Amino acid sequence: DVKVTQSSRYLVKRTGEKVFLECVQDMDHENMFWYRQDPGLGLRLIYFSYDVKMKEKGDIPEGYSVSREKKERFSLILESASTNQTSMYLCASSLIAGVSSEQYFGPGTRLTVT
Amino acid sequence: AQSVTQLDSHVSVSEGTPVLLRCNYSSSYSPSLFWYVQHPNKGLQLLLKYTSAATLVKGINGFEAEFKKSETSFHLTKPSAHMSDAAEYFCVVRYTGANSKLTFGKGITLSVRP
Repeated sequence: DVKVTQSSRYLVKRTGEKVFLECVQDMDHENMFWYRQDPGLGLRLIYFSYDVKMKEKGDIPEGYSVSREKKERFSLILESASTNQTSMYLCASSLIAGVSSEQYFGPGTRLTVT
Repeated sequence: AQSVTQLDSHVSVSEGTPVLLRCNYSSSYSPSLFWYVQHPNKGLQLLLKYTSAATLVKGINGFEAEFKKSETSFHLTKPSAHMSDAAEYFCVVRYTGANSKLTFGKGITLSVRP
């Protein structure tokens, strides 16, 4: 079974702090994704990566950056956390870039910025 | 713009009765369509996917969906609801040429009454 793990289930940070959210997948997938999930808005793509050291902006990249130094690990960084970044963050991975490939999701990190 | 519409935000059914969760997508040549389920405090799990093969797709837990190009719909159904089906359901589309990017609907919360 594909396993996608996220470093924390719950996280509380203060405004202005630098926040790291870590995601690791164990199936040698090329593609990795970061989403945020908010009530009534569904999932929105923040950043994604097709390969090591490669990244592309998603639909809502403002206020975020990412890092992919190793194939299995994809980090989301909030350089200076703000209260409007309080949300559920979901990481996903997929094997190939083909149109039919499904994404496998981690359990999510619920981040609260106070 | 590419989009997927889930008109109902909340559906409530009695245990043992049929489930219908509606999804419409904006018209495009050869989209791939997915339904994901998210149980409370869990990550998203793939229920089923359509990738231009059979138009009636069977998924896990007794769910199925039918791709209707003329109606640009991909509604999710189940003949008999179970209490464990209570969750949030997302209709997701990937359009040709969109690499691995998925477009999520806003989600439907399914409640099952005893």
